Amino acid sequence: SQKIEQNSEALNIQEGKTATLTCNYTNYSPAYLQWYRQDPGRGPVFLLLIRENEKEKRKERLKVTFDTTLKQSLFHITASQPADSATYLCALESSGGYQKVTFGTGTKLQVIP
Amino acid sequence: NAGVTQTPKFQVLKTGQSMTLQCAQDMNHNSMYWYRQDPGMGLRLIYYSASEGTTDKGEVPNGYNVSRLNKREFSLRLESAAPSQTSVYFCASSEGTATEKLFFGSGTQLSVL
Repeated sequence: SQKIEQNSEALNIQEGKTATLTCNYTNYSPAYLQWYRQDPGRGPVFLLLIRENEKEKRKERLKVTFDTTLKQSLFHITASQPADSATYLCALESSGGYQKVTFGTGTKLQVIP
Repeated sequence: NAGVTQTPKFQVLKTGQSMTLQCAQDMNHNSMYWYRQDPGMGLRLIYYSASEGTTDKGEVPNGYNVSRLNKREFSLRLESAAPSQTSVYFCASSEGTATEKLFFGSGTQLSVL
């Protein structure tokens, strides 16, 4: 069956370090992958989208990689700040349209001052 | 620019009661969605509307009905609430018919006793 795995354990890192979050998937052929940020009591907010033919995407301090051979995406936040503390969700869309978007359960990131 | 607005923010129902969750977007988006979010389960799609006048079932449609009232508004109705429908509900929208980034509302926390 199709499965998306994100580390359910919280990730604690020191301010200024690079945070790396992992999204693994099985039995998908995603057309693209998205990352969202979710703060407590709020809806997810879109961060980055990477397509299947792209290896890497950057936006300011954020970097996403997409390895369709390993079936994995890595999400990096460089020079992390306490304000980056949140839950980060990955979402996959298989070719076939909007109804096929599936979200992972998210990884909670805590940046310690 | 409000984005996606959901009402109410909190609701407590008794088993068997009915209610409608309201959602409106002011971004002139074509597609709208209803998700539920449960601990350890991730976001799951209940219903979506690709365009005004159309609606389709998502992953977990049982016990719910939807209405795409016009391009702006997409409501979710629980006809006879059950404790299993206790969850946080999110409305989202996207610009086109192909999946693009989703814009989420702030959510409705629903408890069914």
